[in-house]
Amino acid sequence: QQQVKQSPQSLIVQKGGISIINCAYENTAFDYFPWYQQFPGKGPALLIAIRPDVSEKKEGRFTISFNKSAKQFSLHIMDSQPGDSATYFCAAANSGNTPLVFGKGTRLSVIA
Amino acid sequence: EAQVTQNPRYLITVTGKKLTVTCSQNMNHEYMSWYRQDPGLGLRQIYYSMNVEVTDKGDVPEGYKVSRKEKRNFPLILESPSPNQTSLYFCASSFVGVQYFGPGTRLTVT
Repeated sequence: QQQVKQSPQSLIVQKGGISIINCAYENTAFDYFPWYQQFPGKGPALLIAIRPDVSEKKEGRFTISFNKSAKQFSLHIMDSQPGDSATYFCAAANSGNTPLVFGKGTRLSVIA
Repeated sequence: EAQVTQNPRYLITVTGKKLTVTCSQNMNHEYMSWYRQDPGLGLRQIYYSMNVEVTDKGDVPEGYKVSRKEKRNFPLILESPSPNQTSLYFCASSFVGVQYFGPGTRLTVT
């Protein structure tokens, strides 16, 4: 079964620190790797995504690092803020509208 | 406003009483799907639909039905709900791989 393994399950970071969430996948046919952010009481929303033709993508304080040979990708949140406290899901898929395979999520708490 | 809507948002029901959770999107997306979210298990796909009249099973389809008679609507049907279907349910529509999730339906089956 296609899987995406996400770690850690929960993470506590001091305000201003770096939050790092890791994911590993098995299916080498995956070529789309998004991260979703979910606040309590809301549905997940796309945060940032990467395709394997690049090793890194940055949007503001959020960066995805991608290691194709290791089949791993990670989300880095720089200068973490209390407003970043949410559950983060990594996911993977083949191109186009094929089902996304989600990791189990990481609950991030940023404390002042 | 582009959005995915779900109704009801909260539902408490009893075992065996058929229910339908509606989902509608106004973005003209062809791809729609249903997920359930449970603590420690993340998001698991129940069913998805690539287009009208085309549906397929996801990872956890047992106990659920869906239909896709029109592009904008994708209802989730529980013919005989059981307590293990107590969960938070999300509908989503998708375009070029980006999933747009609804606000969720919290279902409790007693």
